[in-house]
Amino acid sequence: GENVEQHPSTLSVQEGDSAVIKCTYSDSASNYFPWYKQELGKGPQLIIDIRSNVGEKKDQRIAVTLNKTAKHFSLHITETQPEDSAVYFCAATLRYSSASKIIFGSGTRLSIRP
Amino acid sequence: NAGVTQTPKFRVLKTGQSMTLLCAQDMNHEYMYWYRQDPGMGLRLIHYSVGEGTTAKGEVPDGYNVSRLKKQNFLLGLESAAPSQTSVYFCASRGSGEAGELFFGEGSRLTVL
Repeated sequence: GENVEQHPSTLSVQEGDSAVIKCTYSDSASNYFPWYKQELGKGPQLIIDIRSNVGEKKDQRIAVTLNKTAKHFSLHITETQPEDSAVYFCAATLRYSSASKIIFGSGTRLSIRP
Repeated sequence: NAGVTQTPKFRVLKTGQSMTLLCAQDMNHEYMYWYRQDPGMGLRLIHYSVGEGTTAKGEVPDGYNVSRLKKQNFLLGLESAAPSQTSVYFCASRGSGEAGELFFGEGSRLTVL
């Protein structure tokens, strides 16, 4: 069935360095790709999203790139800070008639070393 | 503004017991979702609803039932709990139309002994 694969499962970077998380999806009809951040004990929160008619989107220190041909998209965090430590999830929509199911990757635990 | 509220936040069950998780949203959202989160497996969709009175199966629906009798509420039921259903459950909602942001509750941790 349709799925979203996410790598790496854990990532540790030095404060100030960049972090990159990658995802691939299988449903060629997917057209919406959000990224969520989950802090300990809380529900996930949207941090950035991209639609299939756009190749790249940036919001301050975070950016997302999309390659529809290869069916993969990536999250880039620059100048990492301690508060970036969290679990990050990518997701993609699956379209069935008028409904949209949103399928998540398995998550990446990002740790920022001081 | 409460957003998405889940009750209860914690629950311990014995195998074979039943229970219901309640999700309530105050944003007048059409779409509501139930996910479960397990270590290393991310968030997996159990059931979802695109409007009052409608429900549909997600990736892992077996052992769960849902109901959406009122637009603001989405109930997740376990008729006969099994240890494999030990997990953290998240409810989410969003508005209708083009896919957009999901608003999540804070989760309900369920342990089945």
